[in-house]
Amino acid sequence: EVQLLESGGGLVQPGGSQRLSCAASGFTFSTYAMSWVRQAPGKGLEWVSGISGSGGSTYYADSVKGRFTISRDNSKNTVYLQMNSLRAEDTAVYYCAKGQTTYYLPGYDFWGQGTLVTVSS
Amino acid sequence: QSALTQPASVSGSLGQSITISCTGTSSDVGAYNYVTWYQQHPGKAPKLMIYDVSNRPSGVSNRFSGSKSGNTASLTISGLQAEDEADYYCSSYTSSSTLEVFGGGTKLTVL
Repeated sequence: EVQLLESGGGLVQPGGSQRLSCAASGFTFSTYAMSWVRQAPGKGLEWVSGISGSGGSTYYADSVKGRFTISRDNSKNTVYLQMNSLRAEDTAVYYCAKGQTTYYLPGYDFWGQGTLVTVSS
Repeated sequence: QSALTQPASVSGSLGQSITISCTGTSSDVGAYNYVTWYQQHPGKAPKLMIYDVSNRPSGVSNRFSGSKSGNTASLTISGLQAEDEADYYCSSYTSSSTLEVFGGGTKLTVL
């Protein structure tokens, strides 16, 4: 059974940093691209970042480029999202999502339960 | 404002069919066959319903179907059931520097 378990959310001050983790199980982790998608309270979905199965290719939404960094450790079956220079508009539930191929493409067949990041003073 | 345009709400009666539209541009929906549809119930994670415009993952009811014409993609749900009541989001690959864009979501009410 595929499982994705996010952690690392919480309350952070504007300008601060936070690192999210997503532990995966139930599939050959290194074979699939992974993405982070967020959802602000009461709002729609927004793609944030993606990474290929090998970790050699990374992609970012314009809204987070230069502030967020996605990475993965295939030996630990874990994908990370390092978030720096956080802003109030980054407040959202952050979902980890599994791609269907080793290369990044839209279409995520499994999602985690999400972790809430609140940016506020 | 979302990159893809969806109606804010649609409704239909039990057993009827509805269609949700997702309008983009020649840089996203019109350019690529990477349109995806997700279903999201309140407080839950999204669920993949359609990928690559019209492909259904295993386990998704064949009452759900997807199509595309020009810059507009569509999700059709036939034989509406109470459990179909949820929010639906489309997404598409895009040639812009942000590689993937979502629609604003459509709330489906089953009467």
